[in-house]
Amino acid sequence: GAVVSQHPSWVICKSGTSVKIECRSLDFQATTMFWYRQFPKQSLMLMATSNEGSKATYEQGVEKDKFLINHASLTLSTLTVTSAHPEDSSFYICSALPEYEQFFGPGTRLTVL
Amino acid sequence: DAKTTQPPSMDCAEGRAANLPCNHSTISGNEYVYWYRQIHSQGPQYIIHGLKNNETNEMASLIITEDRKSSTLILPHATLRDTAVYYCIVRADSGGGADGLTFGKGTHLIIQP
Repeated sequence: GAVVSQHPSWVICKSGTSVKIECRSLDFQATTMFWYRQFPKQSLMLMATSNEGSKATYEQGVEKDKFLINHASLTLSTLTVTSAHPEDSSFYICSALPEYEQFFGPGTRLTVL
Repeated sequence: DAKTTQPPSMDCAEGRAANLPCNHSTISGNEYVYWYRQIHSQGPQYIIHGLKNNETNEMASLIITEDRKSSTLILPHATLRDTAVYYCIVRADSGGGADGLTFGKGTHLIIQP
């Protein structure tokens, strides 16, 4: 099946710094990628839809200036958490759509101190 | 997308069939039933999907009632590695559309040795 990778798998940063998370489709091209966030003991929540070559579409309540998404190629989307704060600590997961079903990355655990 | 209802948790003995129910009484005629699972601290994994006919693949079987208001995911010979949260998702397209997934709370399936 299709493989999606994320980097880093975990990151710890200080409050106020920015963190970049990469999502790559390894064996297919993806015009569309998605970013989700999952807090402890909760379900995944869709944050935004990343479209190659165009601006991302954000879900209601997600700050586009805080969560910057860049989808510069058909195999790479990046999520940058700007000026991170402890409440941004979460599990961030991306997915990509090669054809009929979404394939998910392994996730990135972000801890903001 | 139609709302789904799943039991919050289930136990199953190792080696036995695990039957996970999902109610989707408001499903529309063009909506598919998808199943994903998430093993702890990993990204979700696609299992199977169907429209109205029963489906089977190497991972599981999906049984959809004739009125399509409910379905059952069957793991024929559960192993300890099948312990995960299982999500039943109903969506209007076959997955090729550009919409992210809406995850409910899912069923936490625990396989007992």
